[in-house]
Amino acid sequence: QVQLVQSGAEVRKPGASVRVSCKAFGYTFTKYAIHWVRQAPGQRLEWMGWINPGNGNIKYSEKFQGRVTIARDTSASTAYMELSSLRSEDTAVYYCAKDAYNGWYDYWGQGTLVTVSS
Amino acid sequence: EIVLTQSPGTLSLSPGERATLSCRASQSVTSSYLAWYQQKPGQAPRLLIYGASSRATGIPDRFSGSGSGADFTLTISRLEPEDFAVYYCQQYGSSPITFGQGTRLEIK
Repeated sequence: QVQLVQSGAEVRKPGASVRVSCKAFGYTFTKYAIHWVRQAPGQRLEWMGWINPGNGNIKYSEKFQGRVTIARDTSASTAYMELSSLRSEDTAVYYCAKDAYNGWYDYWGQGTLVTVSS
Repeated sequence: EIVLTQSPGTLSLSPGERATLSCRASQSVTSSYLAWYQQKPGQAPRLLIYGASSRATGIPDRFSGSGSGADFTLTISRLEPEDFAVYYCQQYGSSPITFGQGTRLEIK
């Protein structure tokens, strides 16, 4: 069955970077986009960007442009999201999600808690 | 950016009752590209509705979505105990993709 399995929780100091991975199982990885969405404590879900694993096309939210890098390794069926210049406001659960068609998500990863603290 | 505003913020109802959740957009949502998700504590969101009114695979028919333009509604016809959760709407017709702030459905 379809599953997205994310890497484990991370703790970083302000100014550092973090990379979260998302490994896909149970479907053809290159056929569907992967999106990254975060959820800060008590806040709404926030879209960060997406990647088309098939052709490598990427789109970032303007809010994160310059700080976020999304990539994929098709041989490993894995997508990555790296966020740099971390600040305390980046403390959140980061999710990857499989795009079913045009931007709605039929499967989500389990989430990765990133804590930014000095 | 399309801002989605959900109401009410919290809805207190009893099992068996009908729930009506609203999602209003700051401008028209392209092609009714609106989805609804359910989220329980410690879990990832779960897709309920896409395209404003199409139920996702495996979602019970007590969940229904309606609306167009800038006004959308999620209705749960008869609440079951497992339905008490937070519900989010999402628009994916315009970039950036945006979400509402959520409606918390709690047991009365």
